[in-house]
Amino acid sequence: AQSVAQPEDQVNVAEGNPLTVKCTYSVSGNPYLFWYVQYPNRGLQFLLKYITGDNLVKGSYGFEAEFNKSQTSFHLKKPSALVSDSALYFCAVRATTSGTYKYIFGTGTRLKVLA
Amino acid sequence: DTGVSQNPRHKITKRGQNVTFRCDPISEHNRLYWYRQTLGQGPEFLTYFQNEAQLEKSRLLSDRFSAERPKGSFSTLEIQRTEQGDSAMYLCASSPVPGSYEQYFGPGTRLTVT
Repeated sequence: AQSVAQPEDQVNVAEGNPLTVKCTYSVSGNPYLFWYVQYPNRGLQFLLKYITGDNLVKGSYGFEAEFNKSQTSFHLKKPSALVSDSALYFCAVRATTSGTYKYIFGTGTRLKVLA
Repeated sequence: DTGVSQNPRHKITKRGQNVTFRCDPISEHNRLYWYRQTLGQGPEFLTYFQNEAQLEKSRLLSDRFSAERPKGSFSTLEIQRTEQGDSAMYLCASSPVPGSYEQYFGPGTRLTVT
């Protein structure tokens, strides 16, 4: 069965410091991996994805994530956090095996960037 | 590109009533998903359409839930005989042609069952 774990309910980081939001997954076969961000009273917004190729993927707003197959992880990173990055972040996975189209989302990590 | 729209944005209903929600995906997006999100949880997959065909339904989806996408454009999600446990945010997402895989989410419909 597919699953996603976001082990931290909340991550606090000072503005200007690097940030990491963790995600591990379990899926049969190769995964498609995604990060989404949710701001208050707004829908989820796509940040970045890993489908195939380079393990380091870059996305919107200066975010990047590294796919690590051996550790089944897809951590979200940013070199220098902004207060405006404060939001709820969701990791999601989709199996590439045939027969399913569904995406599994983690429970979310609230990022708080302190000025 | 006007984004994914959902109506209504909020719905309050009494237990036992039927409710219907509408989702208008981004134009020409042939893939459409419905999710349910409760407080403190991530979106939970309900069902998937490719054009007008409903290709996958969650096993968690009871018989009281039904979804349609009659012409491959907008979609509706109906909940019959609502229960208090149905209270949640219902999200719709659409995705363009195969190969891109990212989803574009609407603002959601918040359902409160009293």
